[in-house]
Amino acid sequence: QVQLVQSGAEVKKPGASVRVSCKASGYTFSDHYVHWVRQAPGQGLEWMGIVDPLTGSTQFPPRFQDRVTLTRDPSTTTVYMELRSLTSEDTAVYYCAKTIEFRLSTAAFDFWGQGTLVTVSS
Amino acid sequence: SYDLIQPPSVSVPPGQTAIITCSGNKLSDKDVCWYQQRPGQSPVLVMYQNARRPSGIPERFSGSNSGNTATLTITGTQAMDEADYFCQAWDGSSGSVFGTGTKVTVL
Repeated sequence: QVQLVQSGAEVKKPGASVRVSCKASGYTFSDHYVHWVRQAPGQGLEWMGIVDPLTGSTQFPPRFQDRVTLTRDPSTTTVYMELRSLTSEDTAVYYCAKTIEFRLSTAAFDFWGQGTLVTVSS
Repeated sequence: SYDLIQPPSVSVPPGQTAIITCSGNKLSDKDVCWYQQRPGQSPVLVMYQNARRPSGIPERFSGSNSGNTATLTITGTQAMDEADYFCQAWDGSSGSVFGTGTKVTVL
């Protein structure tokens, strides 16, 4: 069965960086793009970016362009999200999610990870 | 940037029909999908490509998209449908965009 299993909760100080992993299984890793989405406490969903597991190419919205790096390791079918220069406004649950359709970056997200809580506090 | 606007809340008696709207400029030019999120859980895809239900999603969920508004309809709403619902679409300039979210209360 398809699974996306994320790394555990993190507590970081302002100015630090955080890296969250997302291990995929149960499907062909290179066939489906992986997106990252975050949700601040009590708030809505915010798209952070996308990585192509086949090529490693990425795309980000402008507000995350300079602070987020997405990488992947095909040998372990794992995707990584690094967020730098953390502030308290980055406190949120971070999700990875895969696209439903074969090799279509704009497709809907049919499986999500369990979420990783990142808390930024001095 | 491209914005998707949803009503903050929708209340519906059990067994009745819940209608959740999602408004955006020329939204019918885009494919819209919908996610259900229960408290403390990850979102679940309940509709994609405007009106397609993923495997395992009950038939009481249906979708449409016309003009500037996409709609998720829950017919015969059940207590288990109480959740937050988010629409989503892809915009060429903004990338993936989520709606503001709607809390559905079954009362």
